Amino acid sequence: NAGVTQTPKFQVLKTGQSMTLQCAQDMNHNSMYWYRQDPGMGLRLIYYSASEGTTDKGEVPNGYNVSRLNKREFSLRLESAAPSQTSVYFCASSSQGVVDTQYFGPGTRLTVL
Amino acid sequence: DAKTTQPPSMDCAEGRAANLPCNHSTISGNEYVYWYRQIHSQGPQYIIHGLKNNETNEMASLIITEDRKSSTLILPHATQRDTAVYYCIVSQGNLIFGKGTKLSVKP
Repeated sequence: NAGVTQTPKFQVLKTGQSMTLQCAQDMNHNSMYWYRQDPGMGLRLIYYSASEGTTDKGEVPNGYNVSRLNKREFSLRLESAAPSQTSVYFCASSSQGVVDTQYFGPGTRLTVL
Repeated sequence: DAKTTQPPSMDCAEGRAANLPCNHSTISGNEYVYWYRQIHSQGPQYIIHGLKNNETNEMASLIITEDRKSSTLILPHATQRDTAVYYCIVSQGNLIFGKGTKLSVKP
């Protein structure tokens, strides 16, 4: 089992460029999540998908869109990147029972110039 | 905002038990206490969770006070590989991460 995988690992964008961060899990989990982590801070939830076909906003959704492509894959899109979106992005998944134990990917380090 | 309060940093000697405190005075009856850790900018790693009773697994023990307003994560024999930021989270659904406690295990 690879667990949760994310691509790319690193990315540098110019202001206004767009890109999609990819996430996949092989644990047959129903729920998937996207977080961002700024230096010295905890993780903040951007969007989540409780089950295939559904997505919901988290704490900081502005400037992002998501797609739950199938049960395995959950992508995060930046349509017009801004320097404020420079961050480390983590994807996670969980089986979404009553106890929400999340498994995290290794992260994507994004710099927007 | 996170519903927990943790000290920003702690030190522990290698081989000793590391006891990480967490206050969660506004916890509601159906919220669990979760602990995660993050080693050097890797993705967070689940450690343990509990509702009312104390819990133990291969990584750690979780002690929850009877009134559930605070808890302690215990790493029984800390090693330098346990140096990380430890997050205490109370939740019945989505996780809200605070700044955590940076634990440094020193030789």
